Amino acid sequence: GAGVSQSPRYKVAKRGQDVALRCDPISGHVSLFWYQQALGQGPEFLTYFQNEAQLDKSGLPSDRFFAERPEGSVSTLKIQRTQQEDSAVYLCASSLERGSYEQYFGPGTRLTVT
Amino acid sequence: AQRVTQPEKLLSVFKGAPVELKCNYSYSGSPELFWYVQYSRQRLQLLLRHISRESIKGFTADLNKGETSFHLKKPFAQEEDSAMYYCALSPTTSGTYKYIFGTGTRLKVLA
Repeated sequence: GAGVSQSPRYKVAKRGQDVALRCDPISGHVSLFWYQQALGQGPEFLTYFQNEAQLDKSGLPSDRFFAERPEGSVSTLKIQRTQQEDSAVYLCASSLERGSYEQYFGPGTRLTVT
Repeated sequence: AQRVTQPEKLLSVFKGAPVELKCNYSYSGSPELFWYVQYSRQRLQLLLRHISRESIKGFTADLNKGETSFHLKKPFAQEEDSAMYYCALSPTTSGTYKYIFGTGTRLKVLA
């Protein structure tokens, strides 16, 4: 069966550009997470959705970051006016239900801001 | 503060030698703890979680609440164990089930 997919896999943006990163979770998975992984670091939590509801956005580093999951399946992470410090791998993960602790990760999108 | 510490960035061992990857956590409640592994050019995948008390690929990890540790162990390392290993904590009171990851340890098993 298909796992979590993310697109694009690589994105180069000039500083100041807006970017949109897409996540397709495993079909039927209720919970969806976004993480940011800087070089040499572990993934850091950004935001969490339960179906279409964004229940936790405490990890979003600034108001330039915005995430949505309007129909409770596909999710998009948008970064406005990108800065060099936004360069990282952005990971999406899904889990079957709320409280189900195993998360299934996508391959990530590597964002480079020049 | 909720934190996961993996003190070693790189651990090199010879094939057949025992392996211990260290993980310490800081959390005031009862944590859910996990080990995730990332093989070369693959995605993060679950290796084991403490509540299942399973042994996966010969790896085990015991939660020691007194020492706030969840070290990953394997008695005899294999070359195919070479990978990046992340310890993760899920705060059970957060209601989010997010993970807090350590910085990871790269394990190299030498022939």
